Amino acid sequence: GESVGLHLPTLSVQEGDNSIINCAYSNSASDYFIWYKQESGKGPQFIIDIRSNMDKRQGQRVTVLLNKTVKHLSLQIAATQPGDSAVYFCAVPYSGGGADGLTFGKGTHLIIQP
Amino acid sequence: NAGVMQNPRHLVRRRGQEARLRCSPMKGHSHVYWYRQLPEEGLKFMVYLQKENIIDESGMPKERFSAEFPKEGPSILRIQQVVRGDSAAYFCASSPDDRLNEQFFGPGTRLTVL
Repeated sequence: GESVGLHLPTLSVQEGDNSIINCAYSNSASDYFIWYKQESGKGPQFIIDIRSNMDKRQGQRVTVLLNKTVKHLSLQIAATQPGDSAVYFCAVPYSGGGADGLTFGKGTHLIIQP
Repeated sequence: NAGVMQNPRHLVRRRGQEARLRCSPMKGHSHVYWYRQLPEEGLKFMVYLQKENIIDESGMPKERFSAEFPKEGPSILRIQQVVRGDSAAYFCASSPDDRLNEQFFGPGTRLTVL
């Protein structure tokens, strides 16, 4: 099965700075990757996704980078705001692709310092 | 368009009782997923259902746990004879037919077993 891990359980950044959250996965056949944001007491909220035929994808203030060689992906958040404080999870389909449950990493708690 | 609905939001049960968690997917979504989240952990996939069918229950404990998604009405996650270790947040997600990997999560049900 798939396993997903995050490098840092907690990341503290100054408001306005950029933040980078990292994630590693184990299944080289994984072809779809998602980042979720979870605020306290709420369900995960979709942020951005990327397919394995891409190296980079940009959204509004967020960028996801995928390095298939080392099975690593990262989420970059530009100009962090207080509302970005949350736990961030990377997720991959349970069996590597297709319609399936997701395997989540343990999460990185992003703390925004004023 | 209402999002994924879950009820109750909080559920307290004594050891040995039954817990019933309900999930109404987003309108037009026929794929439902259940996840469990322990404190300070990521979400763990339990079961994937379509209307009247269990597609993948590989993440669900073999005993005491069952799930259904009837033709009419919400999906139900049922836990019989609850134990303290069942205390967790249970999240439901749904996805549409044409974007199977895009899972939208509900607010969760927080189960506490006394």
